Amino acid sequence: DAGVTQSPTHLIKTRGQQVTLRCSPKSGHDTVSWYQQALGQGPQFIFQYYEEEERQRGNFPDRFSGHQFPNYSSELNVNALLLGDSALYLCASSWGTGQGSNEQFFGPGTRLTVL
Amino acid sequence: AQSVTQLDSQVPVFEEAPVELRCNYSSSVSVYLFWYVQYPNQGLQLLLKYLSGSTLVESINGFEAEFNKSQTSFHLRKPSVHISDTAEYFCAVSERNYGQNFVFGPGTRLSVLP
Repeated sequence: DAGVTQSPTHLIKTRGQQVTLRCSPKSGHDTVSWYQQALGQGPQFIFQYYEEEERQRGNFPDRFSGHQFPNYSSELNVNALLLGDSALYLCASSWGTGQGSNEQFFGPGTRLTVL
Repeated sequence: AQSVTQLDSQVPVFEEAPVELRCNYSSSVSVYLFWYVQYPNQGLQLLLKYLSGSTLVESINGFEAEFNKSQTSFHLRKPSVHISDTAEYFCAVSERNYGQNFVFGPGTRLSVLP
């Protein structure tokens, strides 16, 4: 079992550009959540996808959007990048939704640097 | 809305000494509680979780945490730490019956010194 995988590992972009990050969930999982972890801080919830729909969303602007594919993999898109978007972006997968007890398995993250 | 406080941003301890990492939370509804560990350049790994039942939960590598509802706390303890325990530790909560929107604390960096 490969666990949660994310690509790319590192990414450097300039302000105003757009970026797409990818995530493949752990085998058997159907729910994907995305988190932003700024340097020295805890992860902050961006949104969650289940059955190809956004089910929950944190306090992030519409510049952050996502998608889930039929195979449960997911993409995170960020438009009009700002310097403050520089962070580690974590993908977490789990089974089912509506149950806060389900453990989330995290990927290694994508380190985004905006110059 | 929920929030998590980890009062200690850094905790240095000597090897084989005991350690306690503090976590307090705020929520208007019942929650589940989690501790995750993050080693350098890695993602988060679940250390232990409290869902229901016994308020004392244990991990396979010697950590334990106790849920205290009256004090809204979920402190993490280990009686004897090892160098390999050096990492960032995050406390998190999620609301019961409301999906998996985890709210994380700011983290505590545990440094185990030889």
